[in-house]
Amino acid sequence: DTGVSQDPRHKITKRGQNVTFRCDPISEHNRLYWYRQTLGQGPEFLTYFQNEAQLEKSRLLSDRFSAERPKGSFSTLEIQRTEQGDSAMYLCASSARDRESEKLFFGSGTQLSVL
Amino acid sequence: GIQVEQSPPDLILQEGANSTLRCNFSDSVNNLQWFHQNPWGQLINLFYIPSGTKQNGRLSATTVATERYSLLYISSSQTTDSGVYFCAVEAGYGGSQGNLIFGKGTKLSVKP
Repeated sequence: DTGVSQDPRHKITKRGQNVTFRCDPISEHNRLYWYRQTLGQGPEFLTYFQNEAQLEKSRLLSDRFSAERPKGSFSTLEIQRTEQGDSAMYLCASSARDRESEKLFFGSGTQLSVL
Repeated sequence: GIQVEQSPPDLILQEGANSTLRCNFSDSVNNLQWFHQNPWGQLINLFYIPSGTKQNGRLSATTVATERYSLLYISSSQTTDSGVYFCAVEAGYGGSQGNLIFGKGTKLSVKP
């Protein structure tokens, strides 16, 4: 069990550019989540997948955001035409979602800075 | 939507002291978890505790679902306990599956 892995750890981009983040969940976990966290706040839910199906999207997820989990394993989160307000820590989490426990395990996050 | 309130917002302790962190929520829940975010930003899952009591070393947690609160106890605090403690819940009905709502956290500083 290597934990949830996210890449890159940091991303600096200019306003208007597109960025893509990758998340590799814990291998046996069928659920994968994306959250966003800004300074001084708790994480905010963006979207989640069960296997390859995207089952829920937050209203925070504007049309510029898209997430995929093509084979039910790793996931990507793309932000198009980035804005300064997109600057945040983007967190990925996974869970096994069985009846014994539904614990979420988080990765270290990708810190996005939009200049 | 469901509201999550954590108290106190900030807490300063001397090493060795005990503390209790509280999480109140506004509706029934089927999922409640406590997390510790260390000073480097890593979120660590402490407990999955929608009801009842659990213990893990110096930490224990109790959720009284009927009264809509949960408590996290830290005994014999250590400097490594410093960071932000988050409570997160998922509504018990009508809520989105998988959508954990986080509180604003309790920032704990343990002084040597």
